[in-house]
Amino acid sequence: GEDVEQSLFLSVREGDSSVINCTYTDSSSTYLYWYKQEPGAGLQLLTYIFSNMDMKQDQRLTVLLNKKDKHLSLRIADTQTGDSAIYFCAEKDSSYKLIFGSGTRLLVRP
Amino acid sequence: KAGVTQTPRYLIKTRGQQVTLSCSPISGHRSVSWYQQTPGQGLQFLFEYFSETQRNKGNFPGRFSGRQFSNSRSEMNVSTLELGDSALYLCASSFEGAGNQPQHFGDGTRLSIL
Repeated sequence: GEDVEQSLFLSVREGDSSVINCTYTDSSSTYLYWYKQEPGAGLQLLTYIFSNMDMKQDQRLTVLLNKKDKHLSLRIADTQTGDSAIYFCAEKDSSYKLIFGSGTRLLVRP
Repeated sequence: KAGVTQTPRYLIKTRGQQVTLSCSPISGHRSVSWYQQTPGQGLQFLFEYFSETQRNKGNFPGRFSGRQFSNSRSEMNVSTLELGDSALYLCASSFEGAGNQPQHFGDGTRLSIL
């Protein structure tokens, strides 16, 4: 079945770049998403990429997609303390439901 | 434009009771999906409604049900509550649910079962 995997934890210093990685198994996935969850809140859509794209940039966020390896990454430039949160990678399967990874907790140290 | 609104934000129930959660989608969105988030299982898909019809269903027991009204608002019902139903229940809406239409989430309803 479909599966999405992420590393559990990432710690960076303020001002550095953060790279959060994700792998997925469903080769028929057409869209891949990144969401952010802060404590006590729901999921905030950060960005998404169509599977025929290699890269998408949106301000401080860069998404890279390697479809051959089924690998997705989210790079956050100039990481700020406000970026501390849990980041979820998700793929949308053929039935239009989202399959989520377990989330990567990003800690930004001052 | 108002976001996805879920009510109530918090609920405390006891085993055996039933509960109804409400979700108002973004104006103009017709697809509403529900997810359960727990520390152990992560985010799991419950079901999706479009035009008042359940279009997709996840692997949850029949105690979990939902419906959608003509104004696209959706409710989720859980009957005969169990301790394991304690979770954050998230609702998400999109225009029609297609792949290029991202799902936007509400802040969730946190359900605690005593």
